[in-house]
Amino acid sequence: DIQMTQSPSSLSASVGDRVTITCRAGQSIANYLNWYQHKPGRAPKVLIYAASTLQSGVPSRFSGTGSGTDFTLTISSLQPEDFATYYCQQTYSTSYSFGQGTKLEIK
Amino acid sequence: EVQLVESGGGLVQPGGSLRLSCAVSGLTFSSYWMHWVRQAPGKGLVWVSRINYDGNSTNYAGSVKGRFTISRDNAKNTLYLQMNSLRAEDTAVYYCARAPYYEISGYYFDAFDIWGQGTMVTVSS
Repeated sequence: DIQMTQSPSSLSASVGDRVTITCRAGQSIANYLNWYQHKPGRAPKVLIYAASTLQSGVPSRFSGTGSGTDFTLTISSLQPEDFATYYCQQTYSTSYSFGQGTKLEIK
Repeated sequence: EVQLVESGGGLVQPGGSLRLSCAVSGLTFSSYWMHWVRQAPGKGLVWVSRINYDGNSTNYAGSVKGRFTISRDNAKNTLYLQMNSLRAEDTAVYYCARAPYYEISGYYFDAFDIWGQGTMVTVSS
């Protein structure tokens, strides 16, 4: 299985801040990397697929970069509705492994 | 409206069995790979299993292989997860999800774009 490691595990930020979350794969996964947002009691929501392609309907303040083993998710200007847990996921291998999550909290 | 609705969760003793269902509406169910993902209390998302369009190809996480079986009935627009030999560590909310393929420059990428709300499975004596 491909290990996915996110950092940080938690993050406090304020509305309007620029925030970056990183995800590292245990081996090269090219750009087979997705990002999800998950709020308690809600279904997860895909934000970005193929490392950098914004899912339809997702605000442009979300962006993703990276390839190989290192990836980032950036939120350019935090909005109140962005406080949630974020997960990366590799789809290079059929283990479809997720990172452990990054909990984004209000400062 | 596209909807995925899971059911079948509940309390079961260790070693017991449960069958989860995911009823799909508002989309052409047979056109998509489908997945199960779980989240243990206070923990992160963990991929469980996937099945192809007609049910002839399946994959499983190592932790459930040999105990869980994914299947689908395209006539009923329903996805299933048969869970046997359940353990305390299988306690989790179980989500079904649709996984379309996106083509970019001749390469195909999948992502879980529609999810159900989840059904809770508790394994305890």
